Amino acid sequence: GAGVSQSPSNKVTEKGKDVELRCDPISGHTALYWYRQSLGQGLEFLIYFQGNSAPDKSGLPSDRFSAERTGGSVSTLTIQRTQQEDSAVYLCASSTGDPRDYEQYFGPGTRLTVT
Amino acid sequence: GQNIDQPTEMTATEGAIVQINCTYQTSGFNGLFWYQQHAGEAPTFLSYNVLDGLEEKGRFSSFLSRSKGYSYLLLKELQMKDSASYLCAVRNAGNNRKLIWGLGTSLAVNP
Repeated sequence: GAGVSQSPSNKVTEKGKDVELRCDPISGHTALYWYRQSLGQGLEFLIYFQGNSAPDKSGLPSDRFSAERTGGSVSTLTIQRTQQEDSAVYLCASSTGDPRDYEQYFGPGTRLTVT
Repeated sequence: GQNIDQPTEMTATEGAIVQINCTYQTSGFNGLFWYQQHAGEAPTFLSYNVLDGLEEKGRFSSFLSRSKGYSYLLLKELQMKDSASYLCAVRNAGNNRKLIWGLGTSLAVNP
């Protein structure tokens, strides 16, 4: 079946502009995660959605970052007034949400470059 | 604080065996994961350990000692395609979803 998809695959934007990154999780997966991976760095947790529960936003680095998940499926990560330090690969992952099912399936990522 | 340590880089020869270590200090523990990430690609799941001992899956095995806060990933019969970054991640007991990630070990397999 189809895996996690993300769009765009690459995004170049000017400092100060807003960007939206999209994630389509695997159909039926109730859990969705956003991570950021900067060059030479590990994965940095940003936000987690699980079903209809309030999202865990504890990893968002500033109030310029926000995310929503409409209809329990597609998610959009928005970065307002982008800064050069926002340049990174933004990865989305999904899982079934069953506590016994631990694997997270990752999308190919969106490479964001802020000039 | 919470910390996961793994070597930054390792080099090995095709056909050999390599062991990648991971030590962790986290507030609670509910499983340790190993993921493989090829350059420019998304991480893919390799293994999951929640109990002490060795889990074997083909050429890859993963070991866990909870008392020592230690895990290793063992790769046998190395192939060139195993050149990748190997990421260790720990799931906290308090939050069954959020993973704490190490920086990854970049493995280069040479002919």
